[in-house]
Amino acid sequence: SQQGEEDPQALSIQEGENATMNCSYKTSINNLQWYRQNSGRGLVHLILIRSNEREKHSGRLRVTLDTSKKSSSLLITASRAADTASYFCATDAGEGNKLVFGAGTILRVKS
Amino acid sequence: NAGVTQTPKFQVLKTGQSMTLQCAQDMNHNSMYWYRQDPGMGLRLIYYSASEGTTDKGEVPNGYNVSRLNKREFSLRLESAAPSQTSVYFCAPKEASEDTSTDTQYFGPGTRLTVL
Repeated sequence: SQQGEEDPQALSIQEGENATMNCSYKTSINNLQWYRQNSGRGLVHLILIRSNEREKHSGRLRVTLDTSKKSSSLLITASRAADTASYFCATDAGEGNKLVFGAGTILRVKS
Repeated sequence: NAGVTQTPKFQVLKTGQSMTLQCAQDMNHNSMYWYRQDPGMGLRLIYYSASEGTTDKGEVPNGYNVSRLNKREFSLRLESAAPSQTSVYFCAPKEASEDTSTDTQYFGPGTRLTVL
């Protein structure tokens, strides 16, 4: 069963706009991680936010975590065509260090 | 995908054939994981090895076996392939440090398997 659920399933924006993706999960977590997957490729780790953190930044990425609502969001600012990919959230509940993934958000950035 | 090697990259099998997917990492990470990814879905955990010498079932272990050969290598075996096992398979090492709240998982490039 999938722990995380991303919303929306698909998102299409113009280059330069911001993209926001949301993730909800069901159980207590150790941390939450976001990954990017380009078509036909493996997953690339973007950012990890610990359960005691509320916000984290990395370049054009901003991740928030609300443990009371069991939700997280990933904001990509000033999007580029190269940001076109699928984005997945994954939760680590500390059980055997296993990650549980959501189904992902497909982002398309039009130039 | 630096540091994680998966072989083969592509494979086509007939129903009932067997094969082993190989994974090797040079990151010296303690834990290794095998996931499968099906269209429109996230990744699902098949098996994992928290440390050398141990293996455990994940969410979807049926039809698979694994071997943690040493710290670097973790193989996934399909004894009798079925069409339902058509998928993309990813190997993923993880450091498994004392402070697990910061452990990052890295993924190999994947093996695309088709079972006819």
